[in-house]
Formats: sequence, C-alpha cells, structure tokens
Amino acid sequence: GENVEQHPSTLSVQEGDSAVIKCTYSDSASNYFPWYKQELGKRPQLIIDIRSNVGEKKDQRIAVTLNKTAKHFSLHITETQPEDSAVYFCAAPRNSGGYQKVTFGTGTKLQVIP
Amino acid sequence: DSGVTQTPKHLITATGQRVTLRCSPRSGDLSVYWYQQSLDQGLQFLIQYYNGEERAKGNILERFSAQQFPDLHSELNLSSLELGDSALYFCASSAFGTANTEAFFGQGTRLTVV
Repeated sequence: GENVEQHPSTLSVQEGDSAVIKCTYSDSASNYFPWYKQELGKRPQLIIDIRSNVGEKKDQRIAVTLNKTAKHFSLHITETQPEDSAVYFCAAPRNSGGYQKVTFGTGTKLQVIP
Repeated sequence: DSGVTQTPKHLITATGQRVTLRCSPRSGDLSVYWYQQSLDQGLQFLIQYYNGEERAKGNILERFSAQQFPDLHSELNLSSLELGDSALYFCASSAFGTANTEAFFGQGTRLTVV
C-alpha cells in the first residue's frame, strides 16, 4: 500500500507554543519524507525533508523526526508565530519501477493565535 | 518564484466543455506532476510524466488526459466537465524521476465550472 495518514486535520495553538503534526505511511520502501507548507491561496513549498538514513533533522524552529520501524514521521514547530499559520502536507514518495510516485497526506490546517 | 509556470491562472467554463491547462517546468527538470486540490481538500495526485513518457498514474478520471511534449512542457486536458471538477490544479516539477527529490509547484490554475 501507499497511503499516508496525517493527523490532526486542524490544529490551533497559542503564539509561542509548539505544534506537532504526525504522518504514518504504509510502504516500507519509502525513503524520503518531505513536508510542504501551503499558505492561503499560494502554492505548496518545501520547508524541510528527511531521508531514511537519518532519525532527525532540524532547521531553526522546525524539525522532523522519523521512526522507520513504526513507519511514522513528525513535523515539530517550536515558538510558533502567526506567520506559521498555513496548511502543512507531508508526503511519502516512493520508487515504483524506478520512478517516483508521490502520495501526500490530507493536510493539517495550523492556526497560530496571537 | 518556483520557476514552474502554469497558464492560465483562472479559467471559467460551462459544464460539458473541454479545457487545456498548461505547465512549463523549471529549466532542466524532466519530471512533471499534476495534482488536483478541491476547496479545503488535500492534494490529489493525478499523473506524472518523465522526459515525455507517462510514469505514474493516480486517481485520474478517464475524462482527463495529459501529455508531456519534447520541450518538456505539459498539458492537462479536461473534457466533459462537471461541476465537481471545479478545483485548483497544480503542476509540479522535479529534476529526476527518482523519489528523493524536491518537487517545485507552480502557482496553480483555478478552474471554475458553472
């Protein structure tokens, strides 16, 4: 299978608090896990990604953790700011016959309350 | 600017009609992906092309078809349009057909079927 489940679907946090979004994938062959941010009316843009040979990756206030055994990966945003408000999508592309097939999670709408 | 260009930005048409959406990938990118995003919904993968050939197919309706031309631009054709086809259609490109590369999204074409 190639489904990607993403939770929660909506998340409201107070400014300065942390936010965590989790994705679970089913295809054990997946080895690259990007996170995209889509602001209202705009295109999705990559914010961070992680490869299967790494358990954690951090970039300033955002981090991604990967648990290959449990087949889940999470996005962590610390010290949230109003500009973090957006929809976040995880993805689990996988090779299918040597080519890429990308499955996105259903998205998490994050609202940061000032 | 991601380097991926989609035209037109907006399209309004009547039910039963046919439209063509166009995508120019980033310079040098060989893979093109098409996604459908309905209102407040996630990104549904439609189809992928790599260097002119179809590589992967998602939940693409039979009324929809696509192709990638020798200059690597791609077109998504939607026919016998229904009200439910109203959505934002994104094109994305990446350098290769493998799973471990970032996808760059265009700004999308908003299709409204009336």
